[in-house]
Amino acid sequence: EAAVTQSPRNKVTVTGGNVTLSCRQTNSHNYMYWYRQDTGHGLRLIHYSYGAGNLQIGDVPDGYKATRTTQEDFFLLLELASPSQTSLYFCASSGTTSAETLYFGSGTRLTVL
Amino acid sequence: GQQVQQSPASLVLQEGENAELQCNFSSTATQLQWFYQSPGGSLVSLLSNPSGTKHTGRLTSTTVTKERRSSLHISSSQTTDSGTYLCAIGPSGGNYKPTFGKGTSLVVHP
Repeated sequence: EAAVTQSPRNKVTVTGGNVTLSCRQTNSHNYMYWYRQDTGHGLRLIHYSYGAGNLQIGDVPDGYKATRTTQEDFFLLLELASPSQTSLYFCASSGTTSAETLYFGSGTRLTVL
Repeated sequence: GQQVQQSPASLVLQEGENAELQCNFSSTATQLQWFYQSPGGSLVSLLSNPSGTKHTGRLTSTTVTKERRSSLHISSSQTTDSGTYLCAIGPSGGNYKPTFGKGTSLVVHP
């Protein structure tokens, strides 16, 4: 079973604050994703990557940066956090082909005051 | 972009009843997956079914690709089935960028 680990589990920051969410997967998956989940909107894709050093823009990228430092590690950066970014964030990974299953981390609940 | 519509938005059952969840999508997809999200928030894959019919345990998924729809049937529901069921599709060719529906919230009463 693929393992995807997110940290922290919960984070509270203030408007204008700097936040980094971390994600590590241990199955050498090529694809990694960051989603946010909000009531009424479901899961929305922020950024994704298909390998170390690669970054692709998702559907709701504004206000977010991401960086894939290694095959295992994918980070989401909020450099000037706003209350609208209060959400539940999920990281996921999958293998090389589109037929492969997505594996999710446990989520990070971010609150921006 | 691609759109995924799930219905019903919510469903309430008595334990032992069957559930039928629907997923309709706007364009051809090479991948379709069903996920379960627990009340605590964790997400797990239930099954992957881009076409045809697949069974796992009490779950049966039927996907008719040319009609751009998929269903998830849960037989003999249990209280532990309560949660949200999400459908996700991937595009044809190119980078895999999964798009999710908003989910069906299922509550099963004892």
